Amino acid sequence: GIQVEQSPPDLILQEGANSTLRCNFSDSVNNLQWFHQNPWGQLINLFYIPSGTKQNGRLSATTVATERYSLLYISSSQTTDSGVYFCAVSSGSARQLTFGSGTQLTVLP
Amino acid sequence: DAGVTQSPTHLIKTRGQHVTLRCSPISGHKSVSWYQQVLGQGPQFIFQYYEKEERGRGNFPDRFSARQFPNYSSELNVNALLLGDSALYLCASSLFRTGGGKNIQYFGAGTRLSVL
Repeated sequence: GIQVEQSPPDLILQEGANSTLRCNFSDSVNNLQWFHQNPWGQLINLFYIPSGTKQNGRLSATTVATERYSLLYISSSQTTDSGVYFCAVSSGSARQLTFGSGTQLTVLP
Repeated sequence: DAGVTQSPTHLIKTRGQHVTLRCSPISGHKSVSWYQQVLGQGPQFIFQYYEKEERGRGNFPDRFSARQFPNYSSELNVNALLLGDSALYLCASSLFRTGGGKNIQYFGAGTRLSVL
């Protein structure tokens, strides 16, 4: 099956700093979603982005499907951005998502 | 509009027991998927159901089973619980567009199962 690798595994920032999270995948995809998992376990949808670039406030994402990677940018980070960020993909006829192992982001005040 | 709802939120069981977890999808969504997330890892796919039929199964033992009801809600059943079944169980709903296009999955808050 498709493999998903996320980097870095851990990231510690001061409030106000910018960051880039990366997601590499091993095959062509028809779905790529970025999620933020809060401390209570809820997966919050950030972006649906199998290709192209999207922006939502301080967050933006870019997927280069031909090179099999996606980037999540967080600008002017806030303490409430802390949590685990997951990239998840599906490919072919499969509808289920395959998740990466996540990036644990900690934003310090 | 209500999102994906799961019940119960927390559950404590002992080894060998059976458990049933429930999920109601977003109104209008006909597909429900189940995922298991153990501590420190990303969610792992267990089952997907669409129109009451199983459309996908992950690499889980036969102790795990699921079904979908006419109102599109779903149950996940786990028999003969093991300590390793302790995890957060997540339910996701989607439109399941068979002809391609967006197939965004939306997740519930999960059921946290502890097996003692």
